[in-house]
Amino acid sequence: SSELTQDPAVSVALGQTVRITCQGDSLRSYYASWYQQKPGQAPVLVIYGKNNRPSGIPDRFSGSSSGNTASLTITGAQAEDEADYYCNSRDSSGNWVFGGGTKLTVL
Amino acid sequence: QVQLQESGPGLVKPSETLSLTCTVSGGSISSYYWSWIRQPPGKGLEWIGYIYYSGSTNYNPSLKSRVTISVDTSKNQFSLKLSSVTAADTAVYYCARLIAVAGLGGDYFDYWGQGTLVTVSS
Repeated sequence: SSELTQDPAVSVALGQTVRITCQGDSLRSYYASWYQQKPGQAPVLVIYGKNNRPSGIPDRFSGSSSGNTASLTITGAQAEDEADYYCNSRDSSGNWVFGGGTKLTVL
Repeated sequence: QVQLQESGPGLVKPSETLSLTCTVSGGSISSYYWSWIRQPPGKGLEWIGYIYYSGSTNYNPSLKSRVTISVDTSKNQFSLKLSSVTAADTAVYYCARLIAVAGLGGDYFDYWGQGTLVTVSS
């Protein structure tokens, strides 16, 4: 079982804002990174560190953290944002662990 | 632009050893951490382990007894061996570059291979 907990599914209306969360005790000590995965494709890094976006990731993606919860926010969701999203961080032993993933549906 | 490409058999028999290689192009394997991650069909991602270019390793405790990751800097490659495989090891296996940040972490996997499906079946 994962030490990082994500809601299995979230939906958002086109153009609206959605927050995807990731909970875990280790998030009090480590930042999370976030990955977008579309069917049949490899995951793509969208957020890392305090709130950093790799080159090419739209600025509608942002990250934040509070206590034991990390969040990925998409402001003005687009149809192409429909995907699975995974958080990643270290666990209590310092090893890397992924959340179970959140399936985002854009309505 | 760094690119990673996994290669190896797509079918492995139960109890045998799964062997995969990741070839890094567009950049040097030196000075970075390199990782293996897998994803069973229809399921989430699982970190398998990493190797630093110098050869130091760290493995997922749940797989540690069966995993070996090695590096060949002369070929810009690193490899995964997973022994005594069962059907539960059937997954898409990804290689990825790990950026490990000291202190608060904030580690991340910035480049990924396309993944290769390995099926364990007789």
